[in-house]
Amino acid sequence: DAGVIQSPRHEVTEMGQEVTLRCKPISGHNSLFWYRQTMMRGLELLIYFNNNVPIDDSGMPEDRFSAKMPNASFSTLKIQPSEPRDSAVYFCASSFTSEGTQYFGPGTRLLVL
Amino acid sequence: AQSVTQLGSHVSVSEGALVLLRCNYSSSVPPYLFWYVQYPNQGLQLLLKYTSAATLVKGINGFEAEFKKSETSFHLTKPSAHMSDAAEYFCAVSSAGGNEKLTFGTGTRLTIIP
Repeated sequence: DAGVIQSPRHEVTEMGQEVTLRCKPISGHNSLFWYRQTMMRGLELLIYFNNNVPIDDSGMPEDRFSAKMPNASFSTLKIQPSEPRDSAVYFCASSFTSEGTQYFGPGTRLLVL
Repeated sequence: AQSVTQLGSHVSVSEGALVLLRCNYSSSVPPYLFWYVQYPNQGLQLLLKYTSAATLVKGINGFEAEFKKSETSFHLTKPSAHMSDAAEYFCAVSSAGGNEKLTFGTGTRLTIIP
């Protein structure tokens, strides 16, 4: 299996620009999670989906952040407009309900100038 | 609410020595506990997980962890450290076996001294 695929792996953008991060979960998995990792706050859950439906978005920092899962094989995390404090590594993870282990992608390293 | 405390943000051990990384949890429901490892510029990889079966859990790369309810601990150990074990290790807790949010500790960076 290819594992969780994230793109791009690196993104450098200027403040105010729109940023879209993409994730392809492991085939057959029905839960998908978006995490953010920073030095100051560590690893924190932003949002997770089950069967393509958002279940808990309480970790989404503000309205500038939005996430979608239009089908079982694709999800996006969008930041509009981006700010320097959004600079972080964003991880996507997926799991299968009956097994439960979350498998992480390689992450997208975002730098907002 | 659930939380995890990892004691020691940095741990150094000599190659061949015992590795002990500490994790204490707080949970109002029976917890599911996990240890993940993160190598530089990579995602997180599951080392092992506790899901209320055996209290001593064996994972990959020779690591194991013991669930101690009385101490609310889930410490990670390895009898003999290898240079390739140098990485950051995260303890995490969930109330639903990983199907819901994982709450992570702040991580412990393990350095192996040759």
